[in-house]
Amino acid sequence: AQSVTQPDIHITVSEGASLELRCNYSYGATPYLFWYVQSPGQGLQLLLKYFSGDTLVQGIKGFEAEFKRSQSSFNLRKPSVHWSDAAEYFCAVGPLEGGGNKLTFGTGTQLKVEL
Amino acid sequence: DGGITQSPKYLFRKEGQNVTLSCEQNLNHDAMYWYRQDPGQGLRLIYYSQIVNDFQKGDIAEGYSVSREKKESFPLTVTSAQKNPTAFYLCASKSGPGDQPQHFGDGTRLSIL
Repeated sequence: AQSVTQPDIHITVSEGASLELRCNYSYGATPYLFWYVQSPGQGLQLLLKYFSGDTLVQGIKGFEAEFKRSQSSFNLRKPSVHWSDAAEYFCAVGPLEGGGNKLTFGTGTQLKVEL
Repeated sequence: DGGITQSPKYLFRKEGQNVTLSCEQNLNHDAMYWYRQDPGQGLRLIYYSQIVNDFQKGDIAEGYSVSREKKESFPLTVTSAQKNPTAFYLCASKSGPGDQPQHFGDGTRLSIL
């Protein structure tokens, strides 16, 4: 069975500091990985996705993520956090094809940014 | 602009009542999904549909029902059999197979009166 673990429920960083949100997955085949962001009371917005190719992927809003197969990880990073980045972040894994393209989500990491 | 519209944004249900949440998309996407979101639990899949007139149960389908009579519409009914319906419900759609991601609506918050 596929699963996603986001070990940090809450993270607080100062504005301008660097950020890394952790994501570990368990998946029987080649994973298709995503990071989404959610503002309060809103839907999810896609930050970036990875299936193959360069293991460092760039996304919107200055975010990037690195796929490490040996560690089953797909951590999200940003060099300098802005106050507007405060939100909840979800990592997800699923198949590229088949199985209804169903995604399994982690439980999320709530990011707070101190000014 | 293309997108996914969920309505209403807030919904209240009385005990023993069925309620229907609307999800409409004008993205011409084949696949549509319903998720339930509870604090600290992430998103859990309720039902999904890959094509008109066909749908499958997700991980937590009990107490819910859906229909897919039109490509652009995938309404979710929360029945009286769902004993704990208070949650944030998210609808998503996807452009068929391949590497396109799921796109999400802005959600409906359902509460019990």
